[in-house]
Amino acid sequence: EDQVTQSPEALRLQEGESSSLNCSYTVSGLRGLFWYRQDPGKGPEFLFTLYSAGEEKEKERLKATLTKKESFLHITAPKPEDSATYLCAVHQAGTALIFGKGTTLSVSS
Amino acid sequence: NAGVTQTPKFQVLKTGQSMTLQCAQDMNHEYMSWYRQDPGMGLRLIHYSVGAGITDQGEVPNGYNVSRSTTEDFPLRLLSAAPSQTSVYFCASSATSGRATEQFFGPGTRLTVL
Repeated sequence: EDQVTQSPEALRLQEGESSSLNCSYTVSGLRGLFWYRQDPGKGPEFLFTLYSAGEEKEKERLKATLTKKESFLHITAPKPEDSATYLCAVHQAGTALIFGKGTTLSVSS
Repeated sequence: NAGVTQTPKFQVLKTGQSMTLQCAQDMNHEYMSWYRQDPGMGLRLIHYSVGAGITDQGEVPNGYNVSRSTTEDFPLRLLSAAPSQTSVYFCASSATSGRATEQFFGPGTRLTVL
């Protein structure tokens, strides 16, 4: 069964239309949850690390939050340049990173 | 710093051929790893290394070999390429493998096996 599930698979927004991406996880012994951005034909680019429930981090129009079972990536007033695939990954004690399948975001002007 | 570099960017192989995907990092990172990315499958770990001389298998290691003779380099070898190995390969590195620290990814190698 999937240990990291991202939803939705794809999201289309109008410029300025705020929304959230979800990452739910079932791993035990979470050591950290990561958000990455991936543009077509490129490697993932690190955005945030969250370590404990209740933690929040922000960067420009993006804000990541973490609970004991899921993380949200909130996008406020998105612009077309925010279009990308957003990947969530968890680091479980004793293992390497486990990635979700990603959410592809398209923002149109 | 160049970060994580990978060569080649693109490669076409015939079934049964062998090749090595190169990965290098200049950040003095202990931890390096190889992933493959396939449509609808997400990133899957092939092999990883926690330091020079130490390697271990990930989720999908079959058909691949690795070695880590230096801190900087972590090549991935395909011994006998198969069409199922057609994928995009990413190398990544991080400062440690203990406390969760972010991994930095290379630009990827797109491999096609005919």
